[in-house]
Amino acid sequence: EAQVTQNPRYLITVTGKKLTVTCSQNMNHEYMSWYRQDPGLGLRQIYYSMNVEVTDKGDVPEGYKVSRKEKRNFPLILESPSPNQTSLYFCASSFPSLGEQFFGPGTRLTVL
Amino acid sequence: GNSVTQMEGPVTLSEEAFLTINCTYTATGYPSLFWYVQYPGEGLQLLLKATKADDKGSNKGFEATYRKETTSFHLEKGSVQVSDSAVYFCALSNAGGTSYGKLTFGQGTILTVHP
Repeated sequence: EAQVTQNPRYLITVTGKKLTVTCSQNMNHEYMSWYRQDPGLGLRQIYYSMNVEVTDKGDVPEGYKVSRKEKRNFPLILESPSPNQTSLYFCASSFPSLGEQFFGPGTRLTVL
Repeated sequence: GNSVTQMEGPVTLSEEAFLTINCTYTATGYPSLFWYVQYPGEGLQLLLKATKADDKGSNKGFEATYRKETTSFHLEKGSVQVSDSAVYFCALSNAGGTSYGKLTFGQGTILTVHP
């Protein structure tokens, strides 16, 4: 089954404790992206990757890191989480020429 | 830059009522337009799309027409069901320059349908 998976689905942590949210897709997509969803703001892009070893900032990259060492995986790293990073996070992937993106189920992160 | 504006929500309807959710956009060139739906506790799913002016996307009884002259892509359904209760997002993708592959989203509209 074609899908994007994310782990964990739910995470509660404390300020400053490094964490990683994993994302994996099995559709051989070149393009992968991370978004955060906040009430009234829709989805905002954090980082994206056009292919292996090619990553770039989106609209709200501060406080986040990513890597793309393999085509299928695109982890999101918060090295020192803060409460303003409490949000719902989505990973997505696509063939960029088609526009349509496929989304993971989301990770709800709470930073205390 | 690109932007998408959706009508303010939440929207509350009775079953079998007519639904319209307005969406307008600002973009250079000829973007592709999308409606995504998010059911409670789930990720976003593509509902329908249109890639050029005057195209009509349709799926599950929902329709939207790409109107370049009014820069709009309004979502409609003739008779909603309780199972349509969800959050609906309008989005665009522009194939040009540094925005290649990126989706720009509206703020989302919460729809609740009562029996």
